[in-house]
Amino acid sequence: KAGVTQTPRYLIKTRGQQVTLSCSPISGHRSVSWYQQTPGQGLQFLFEYFSETQRNKGNFPGRFSGRQFSNSRSEMNVSTLELGDSALYLCASSLGMGQGTDTQYFGPGTRLTVL
Amino acid sequence: AQTVTQSQPEMSVQEAETVTLSCTYDTSESDYYLFWYKQPPSRQMILVIRQEAYKQQNATENRFSVNFQKAAKSFSLKISDSQLGDAAMYFCAYRSAWLGDDKIIFGKGTRLHILP
Repeated sequence: KAGVTQTPRYLIKTRGQQVTLSCSPISGHRSVSWYQQTPGQGLQFLFEYFSETQRNKGNFPGRFSGRQFSNSRSEMNVSTLELGDSALYLCASSLGMGQGTDTQYFGPGTRLTVL
Repeated sequence: AQTVTQSQPEMSVQEAETVTLSCTYDTSESDYYLFWYKQPPSRQMILVIRQEAYKQQNATENRFSVNFQKAAKSFSLKISDSQLGDAAMYFCAYRSAWLGDDKIIFGKGTRLHILP
């Protein structure tokens, strides 16, 4: 079974630009969660999508948005990029049924650098 | 709000020895799940072990085991017979048992060095 894939793996943008990151979950998984990882703040939850609906949202400004398609693939978008948005963005997929055995599997991440 | 605290930013252990990573958490929920994730230098986050809060028995996975103390809200990870491949950042994590709340709350992590 293929794992979680994220594209692109690396991105360099400048302040003010916008960026779209993509995540393809494991086949059969309906939940996709996004996390931002920085040295200072650690791993922070951005949002979770389940069956094309945002089910949970973390404490990030509205510049961070996402969506999920009918095939469970998810994209996240960051508009008006700031230097502080430089981070590793991880997505994780799971069945989304809330069971303890329902493991979240992580992708390799997208390294975003904002200049 | 739930919080997860890892008080050891870095630890070192001799190869083949045993090491214990500490984690405490805070929650008002009675049912939840706890995890230890490993993130090696390649950056791929991997689940090491999980514990359901309603289970009294401590989880084990080969050389990895936990000491879950629900009343003390403590969840430590013991790695036996440490190997060079165990070198990584280890994150303690919490997830609510509420259906529909899939978000994971992570601690800041403990970087584990394995000394040959």
